[in-house]
Amino acid sequence: DAGVTQSPTHLIKTRGQQVTLRCSPKSGHDTVSWYQQALGQGPQFIFQYYEEEERQRGNFPDRFSGHQFPNYSSELNVNALLLGDSALYLCASSLATGYQETQYFGPGTRLLVL
Amino acid sequence: AQSVTQPDIHITVSEGASLELRCNYSYGATPYLFWYVQSPGQGLQLLLKYFSGDTLVQGIKGFEAEFKRSQSSFNLRKPSVHWSDAAEYFCAVGGPYNNNDMRFGAGTRLTVKP
Repeated sequence: DAGVTQSPTHLIKTRGQQVTLRCSPKSGHDTVSWYQQALGQGPQFIFQYYEEEERQRGNFPDRFSGHQFPNYSSELNVNALLLGDSALYLCASSLATGYQETQYFGPGTRLLVL
Repeated sequence: AQSVTQPDIHITVSEGASLELRCNYSYGATPYLFWYVQSPGQGLQLLLKYFSGDTLVQGIKGFEAEFKRSQSSFNLRKPSVHWSDAAEYFCAVGGPYNNNDMRFGAGTRLTVKP
């Protein structure tokens, strides 16, 4: 049973560029959440996707957008990259039951913006 | 708004010694509480969770946590630490319905002395 997978593992971009990160949820899961973890900090919620729609969003600008595909995989897009976007981006999947369910995290994508 | 405070940024214990990591939360309703562990360069692994019922929760790798509503705390404990427990530990709080409002603490880094 494959867990949550993310690609790429590492990425280097320059300011102003755009980046796309990818996530495949754990088998059987239909909900994907994205988190940003800056160095020395805990993860911060970016947004959550369910049934191919953004269901909830944290305090992040519109430069951060996402998508969920029919197979439940998801992408995180960040436009006009800033130095402050350098972080570990974590994807978490869960099963939507209407109630709080355990999220399972992937290994993350480390983004460095120069 | 919900929040999590982990008062200890860094803790050092000797191998074989007991461990307690502190977590205080703020949440307006019944909290759903989690402890995750993150090894260097890795994603988050769930250690244990509290949704309801018995306030003493057992997790993986010999960890346990106790929910104390009167103190708004959910401290993580282990009776005997192993060198492989060295990692970053995160406490998180969420609500009873779906995962969209999960908040993480800033983490406690555990160093284990031989």
